[in-house]
Amino acid sequence: DVKVTQSSRYLVKRTGEKVFLECVQDMDHENMFWYRQDPGLGLRLIYFSYDVKMKEKGDIPEGYSVSREKKERFSLILESASTNQTSMYLCASSSAVHYGYTFGSGTRLTVV
Amino acid sequence: GENVEQHPSTLSVQEGDSAVIKCTYSDSASNYFPWYKQELGKGPQLIIDIRSNVGEKKDQRIAVTLNKTAKHFSLHITETQPEDSAVYFCAASSNYQLIWGAGTKLIIKP
Repeated sequence: DVKVTQSSRYLVKRTGEKVFLECVQDMDHENMFWYRQDPGLGLRLIYFSYDVKMKEKGDIPEGYSVSREKKERFSLILESASTNQTSMYLCASSSAVHYGYTFGSGTRLTVV
Repeated sequence: GENVEQHPSTLSVQEGDSAVIKCTYSDSASNYFPWYKQELGKGPQLIIDIRSNVGEKKDQRIAVTLNKTAKHFSLHITETQPEDSAVYFCAASSNYQLIWGAGTKLIIKP
């Protein structure tokens, strides 16, 4: 069964910490995405990547960075976590041919 | 750029009845329209999609219709069941980046 795996389901971090959220896909997909989801605000795109070592800013990139050193792995980095980054983070991937996304189960991050 | 509007934000239907969720899009270049279902505590899952060269697509109890002239598409769920309770998202795209609707919370009343 094809999969997008996010390393943690729940994470609690302290303000100011550097936080890494990892995402791995096993479908050889070219495109990978990071979203955050907050009640009433839908899915908001943080960053995406359409190839290894390539990255593009989404709608809300401030406070985040990403890394894609290998095709299957896309990491989201919170350089200095803040309480307003408490959220559900969703990773997704898609192929260059079919645009449908496959999502991971999400990481619920709490910054205290 | 593309903008997708989704209605209603909440829909409550009696078990066994039909549910319809509607989306409109702004970019006439959009050619791919998927629908996702998100259950509590899970990531969204693709349930059905349609491309612009097709007007309707069915998969058991769910169907999607597309009106390119009016730039709107709809999700139809017939004979609703308790397991249909979830948040549903529509999206539109002309390339690899999906533009999302705000979501509809579907509640199935017993």
